[in-house]
Amino acid sequence: DGGITQSPKYLFRKEGQNVTLSCEQNLNHDAMYWYRQDPGQGLRLIYYSQIVNDFQKGDIAEGYSVSREKKESFPLTVTSAQKNPTAFYLCASSIGQSLNQPQHFGDGTRLSIL
Amino acid sequence: KNQVEQSPQSLIILEGKNCTLQCNYTVSPFSNLRWYKQDTGRGPVSLTIMTFSENTKSNGRYTATLDADTKQSSLHITASQLSDSASYICVVSLQTGANNLFFGTGTRLTVIP
Repeated sequence: DGGITQSPKYLFRKEGQNVTLSCEQNLNHDAMYWYRQDPGQGLRLIYYSQIVNDFQKGDIAEGYSVSREKKESFPLTVTSAQKNPTAFYLCASSIGQSLNQPQHFGDGTRLSIL
Repeated sequence: KNQVEQSPQSLIILEGKNCTLQCNYTVSPFSNLRWYKQDTGRGPVSLTIMTFSENTKSNGRYTATLDADTKQSSLHITASQLSDSASYICVVSLQTGANNLFFGTGTRLTVIP
């Protein structure tokens, strides 16, 4: 079955540590996205990539970094500069390069601080 | 300011009953509106997507309506089931711009037996 796989499901970060969240898709979609979801708030865009080797900052990119070396993969690194990283992180992909395209989501990674 | 507001914030209904969730938006110029269902601890799953010219779309027991003049949408759930318990998120997109999706905060629906 085609879909988006996020791993791990749960992740814990120590102070001063960088952690990387994995996102892999086998849908052959061009565009991929990372969102952060906090209780009582709408999803907020962290980074997006419309094509391999290219990515753009979203609304809340500070303290995060990404790479897009392969079409299938779009890992997100939460750096120590992100002072409030506890949240539910969602990866998505869409068939076209426009953000107007319907997005398919993974099942998320819940990140917590130790 | 482009915003999407959903109501109610939460809702509890008896199994078998119908319910309607609301989404009001100020996003302009409007491109399309989507409803997603998000189960607890899972990613959102698309239910419907409507463009400016569409005023109703169904997906099984889910029916979405759109009034582009008043900038309102509703999601009607018929004969609710326990599995309908989830958050329902309204997402509106602009016609142009690189970062053009606006997410509502969702309505948390609980269906009880």
